Amino acid sequence: SYDLTQPPSLSVSPGQTASIACSGNKLGDKFVSWYQQKPGQSPVLIIYQDHNRPSGIPERFSGSNSGNTATLTIGGAQAVDEADYYCQAWDGRPVFGGGTKVTVL
Amino acid sequence: VQLLESGGGLVQPGGSLRISCGGSGFNFKTNAMSWVRQAPGKGLEWVSFISGSGGSRYYADSVRGRFTISRDNSMNRIYLQMDSLRVDDTGIYYCAKDGSGYDLDSWGQGTLVTVSS
Repeated sequence: SYDLTQPPSLSVSPGQTASIACSGNKLGDKFVSWYQQKPGQSPVLIIYQDHNRPSGIPERFSGSNSGNTATLTIGGAQAVDEADYYCQAWDGRPVFGGGTKVTVL
Repeated sequence: VQLLESGGGLVQPGGSLRISCGGSGFNFKTNAMSWVRQAPGKGLEWVSFISGSGGSRYYADSVRGRFTISRDNSMNRIYLQMDSLRVDDTGIYYCAKDGSGYDLDSWGQGTLVTVSS
């Protein structure tokens, strides 16, 4: 089975840049999506096909994917960005990373 | 786009439950759908997929042979029949709509399934 690995947690100061890595074998050959999930809420798609933002998603969210690592970058993190973030790739079916809890403080 | 799950509840180990999800605001019959679950305090786990026509269905290894996904496009609904339920099937079950073919672009609010004696 295909596995995606994320760091369990990450802290960032308000206004600073946060980068969340997602690693998997030859991940750059697959499309990667990212989801944001706040406590008690459903996941929300924030990046699809490596770097595209759905309408309504702030420009401070960006994505890249190359080699074995995809990265979600939050440029100028805000308190409202505190959430769990999940990467997802398609390996015949959706595969999710374990999630990264982002704290803004 | 709106997705609304229903049917969750408390069931004993070994029991059965059917949950459903209604969709609106999009062309339901042309969109593949998935079920994704989340155990308490844990991450997201994909459970099952069904194509728009219902002709293709896939399952996670953890539920294959116990769960059955189906859809009724005339009712704009998908279903997940869950049999031989185990304690580790406990969690929130979300239905999600296929986006670009590689992502899930809309999610319901989830329905809680608790398997416990």
